[in-house]
Amino acid sequence: RKEVEQDPGPFNVPEGATVAFNCTYSNSASQSFFWYRQDCRKEPKLLMSVYSSGNEDGRFTAQLNRASQYISLLIRDSKLSDSATYLCVVTYNYGQNFVFGPGTRLSVLP
Amino acid sequence: SAVISQKPSRDICQRGTSLTIQCQVDSQVTMMFWYRQQPGQSLTLIATANQGSEATYESGFVIDKFPISRPNLTFSTLTVSNMSPEDSSIYLCSVEAPVKGYTEAFFGQGTRLTVV
Repeated sequence: RKEVEQDPGPFNVPEGATVAFNCTYSNSASQSFFWYRQDCRKEPKLLMSVYSSGNEDGRFTAQLNRASQYISLLIRDSKLSDSATYLCVVTYNYGQNFVFGPGTRLSVLP
Repeated sequence: SAVISQKPSRDICQRGTSLTIQCQVDSQVTMMFWYRQQPGQSLTLIATANQGSEATYESGFVIDKFPISRPNLTFSTLTVSNMSPEDSSIYLCSVEAPVKGYTEAFFGQGTRLTVV
């Protein structure tokens, strides 16, 4: 079993749609959790961190369930510019080790 | 934050040759990381490079194939040796830096390698 698993995708949604991505991780010692975004032919960049209490950044909401070892990302009112691959990332060993999920590709269509 | 300059951005190489990828960071960092991202796949860690010591390689990666240099705290190179078409991939260097109470990973722009 892979350490971090994500919805395989791709997700093709119309502009304005709400889309949710799921992620599970296997290492219960994982300490920090993130969503990274990778545009086509670009490097990954941090989208947002994920806390147990949940956190929101504009149209983006991230949730963490430590008991279920589950992370989610919700995007509301999708924009064309949201088209990218979304990587679920967990860290352990006090942030020294990053483990990347396989990514879920999102295409927002006009 | 950290800004990483990685080069070359892309290259097409003949099988059997070697390519050295360079990464320059705008600040001193203890560890630098080298990843491979094959088409449609996520990032796989190749090795961790510390200044002044030999790099630590992940399972499936060996020093003879991917020698790494780390001459100082702002620079590292990764060499892909004796290349074959299976080495065609994107190679990314990365550093981790504390930001707002957590550690964030920053990446170079990546090197897109095609071996023919």
